[in-house]
Amino acid sequence: EVQLVESGGHLVQPGGSLRLSCAASGFTFSSYWMHWVRQVPGKGLVWVSAITGDGSSTNYADSVKGRFTISRDNAKNTLYLQMNSLRAEDTAVYYCTRANSGYDYWGQGTLVTVSS
Amino acid sequence: EIVLTQSPATLSLSPGERATVSCRASQSVSSYLAWYQQKPGQVPRLLIYDASNRATGIPARFSGSGSGTDFTLTISSLEPEDFAVYYCQQRSNWPLTFGGGTKVEIK
Repeated sequence: EVQLVESGGHLVQPGGSLRLSCAASGFTFSSYWMHWVRQVPGKGLVWVSAITGDGSSTNYADSVKGRFTISRDNAKNTLYLQMNSLRAEDTAVYYCTRANSGYDYWGQGTLVTVSS
Repeated sequence: EIVLTQSPATLSLSPGERATVSCRASQSVSSYLAWYQQKPGQVPRLLIYDASNRATGIPARFSGSGSGTDFTLTISSLEPEDFAVYYCQQRSNWPLTFGGGTKVEIK
């Protein structure tokens, strides 16, 4: 059974840093692009970042470019999102997703709140 | 950035009726468009990928059509569990983008 389990979300002050993790199981992790998608509660879905299966290439939304870094450890079947210089507008639920011509699996999400 | 515009924002229908949701792209996305369903308090679920392919386990009442800039998600006969928010998403160009969502509510 495919599972994606995010962790690391919590309350952080503006300007602070946070690292999200997503533990994957039930599939060959290194064979898939992985993405992060976020959603402000009650609002729409926003794509954040993507990484190739081997980790050699990454892409970012303009709103997070230069502040967020996506990475993966295929030996540990884990996806990461390092979030620096956090802003209030980064407050959202962050989902880890598997890309397979669409996001066929989603984690349950982890809430990041940026507030003083 | 490719902008996806969904219409209508809200669709009020009764069970058994047909639902049609539109997604228009600001430039061609070929067939690289997906549809998701999200119910309150739940994670989004992939319904349709590459414009017209139903994802695993998705009932046949859900169908997708279109290519280029105009796409449609159709629910042939609404079941009670289909009342939810629906999003389109393109994967043709970076950055990937989602539509703003269409809420299908019970009339």
